[in-house]
Amino acid sequence: ETTLTQSPAFMSATPGDKVNISCKASQDIDDDMNWYQQKPGEAPIFIIQEATTLVPGIPPRFGGSGYGTDFTLTINNIESEDAAFYFCLQHDNFPFTFGPGTKVDIK
Amino acid sequence: QVQLVESGGGVVQPGRSLRLSCAASGFTFRNYGMHWVRQAPGKGLEWVAVMSPDGSDVYYADSVKGRFTISRDNSKNTLHLQMNSLRAEDTAVYYCAKTTRGYNYGYDYWGQGTLVTVSS
Repeated sequence: ETTLTQSPAFMSATPGDKVNISCKASQDIDDDMNWYQQKPGEAPIFIIQEATTLVPGIPPRFGGSGYGTDFTLTINNIESEDAAFYFCLQHDNFPFTFGPGTKVDIK
Repeated sequence: QVQLVESGGGVVQPGRSLRLSCAASGFTFRNYGMHWVRQAPGKGLEWVAVMSPDGSDVYYADSVKGRFTISRDNSKNTLHLQMNSLRAEDTAVYYCAKTTRGYNYGYDYWGQGTLVTVSS
């Protein structure tokens, strides 16, 4: 089973900041990594696919990087509406596994 | 637009059964793998099960293998999860999720979830 370690667990940012969230896999998963945003009481929203591809309709301030075991979600010029819970998902092998998530607060 | 609507959650005693459903619309259901994912209160997300588009391939998490059964009715655009021998640790919000393609790819859409509480 591939374990995903996500950091930080919580962060507080100021509008306009650049934010990086890390997701590390316990084994090589190529680029089989997706990122999601979730707000309380809502379904997760798909924001990055295959590690680096921005999902259509998602603002370009979101970006993804990485391959193999180390991945990063970057939010440039963060906005208040980006306050949410972010998590990673690996779909390289079963069982699919998830990172424990990062709560992003906007000051 | 794509919609996934789960139903069937509720409070159930340990050892009893429950059947969840996920009604899909806005896409050609029979062409996509479908998954169940759950989240226990205060815990992270846990993958539960997957069924391929035609139902020929099925995989389960070890924690539910032998107790849960995933199924689908492509004529009714519906996914199901039959949960037997329920345990307290099965208490969670259960989400259905649509893959981007095939059945071993990530999800582009999730439902809102349905809460299952296993308690005496």
